[in-house]
Order: sequence, then C-alpha cells, then structure tokens
Amino acid sequence: QVHLEQSGAEVKKPGASVTVSCKVSGRSLRELSIHWVRQSPGKGLEWLGGFDPEVGETIYAQSFQGRVTMTEDSSTDTGYMELNSVTSEDTAIYYCASILVGDSAFDPWGQGTQVTVSS
Amino acid sequence: QSVLTQPPSGSASPGQRVTISCSGSTSSIGSNYVYWYQQIPGTSPKLLIYLNNRRPSGVPDRFSGSKSGTSASLAISGLRSEDEAAYYCATWDDSLSAWVFGGGTKLTVL
Repeated sequence: QVHLEQSGAEVKKPGASVTVSCKVSGRSLRELSIHWVRQSPGKGLEWLGGFDPEVGETIYAQSFQGRVTMTEDSSTDTGYMELNSVTSEDTAIYYCASILVGDSAFDPWGQGTQVTVSS
Repeated sequence: QSVLTQPPSGSASPGQRVTISCSGSTSSIGSNYVYWYQQIPGTSPKLLIYLNNRRPSGVPDRFSGSKSGTSASLAISGLRSEDEAAYYCATWDDSLSAWVFGGGTKLTVL
C-alpha cells in the first residue's frame, strides 16, 4: 500500500522560494506519477502539476509555469516541489498525491504541508 | 473561480439520500472520466469514486457516482454523521491540459 510522507511546515518571506518534499513508501517512485495540489485558506483544490508517464515529462498548470519546478530522486523515492517568488497568495496547504502507473486517480494523498508567506 | 461548478453547501438528515452535482464543459467532463474526493475537516482528500462510477475497496456502496454529458453527480444514501465533509469533483480538461477541480460542496448532516 502506497504511503506519502511530506516535509514539515514552512514560513517564508515574500519573494523567497519554498521546497516541499514527498517521500514514497510501499511502492517504488518509478511505479507512480507524483502530482502536487494546493488548498488555499477556506478554498478548494488547485492542481499545480505532475509527472505525465505518457509523454515522459512533468507537466505544469499554466498559472504556475515558470515559477514551479517538480523533481524526483529515485534513489530515495522522494519527490520535490519548488515554488519561487512566493507571495501571500501562495499561503496554502500543499499536498502531494500519487497516481499508480496504469491508473488515473489521485490515490493516496500526502498529509499536506502548510506553507505560510508573511513579511 | 473553479472550472467545475459545484453547489457550495448542502445538508440532510441521517438516513436520507443526498446528491451533489458537478457541472463542466465538453473539454472537461464531456471528454474525460470524473473523480470524487472526500475531505473530512483537518485531513487530506480521500478518493471516493473513480472512472465516473467505480468505488475503491473500502468505500461503502452508499456512495455512487454517475455522469451524463458535461455533468456528473455523487449520491450518498443512508446518510451518516461521519459523512459530514467537503466533497470535490475532478477531471482532466483537454483545453487547459490540466487537472481541474470543483470548488467543493460542504455537506452537513443535520
């Protein structure tokens, strides 16, 4: 059974970068496609991007293009999401979620990482 | 504003049946499978329905999903207090080349 464990809460100043990690257990990272979704205070879910095995590369939501980078370290089965030039609008809970290769649903999700941007 | 439209809230009494709607477009729901996620306050979203109407193992058959054209719906029968949560629909949007979510429906069990 897949389990995703995310890194701890972050507090950043405007203009800084933040990196959140997502450690996979129960399966190899190669068997999964890791995606990132955020949830702003009191709001719904917003997809940032994730690995598309059909094209063999990471795809990003247009609104985050150029500002977010998602990488993976297969040696440690860990995925990373780096968001640059953060503003108060980026204050949110960031989730990683996995899609098993051959499937199509986000299942399971990590526990979430609170990112707070404040001067 | 979310690409998929859901009612922001709903309520029903224990034992009743409730339906949550999700409206999209030809490039989203009209062309792709729909997924539903349940988020109990303070926890991560959990997969409830996949491929329009299939339940993962462990999800009670009180939960069912359906899709017609550019809309989908989630039905919960025999409502229980533990069903009080936010429910989100999701699908791939071919025009945006992105996964899109509904704004979520907060369900209150009276």
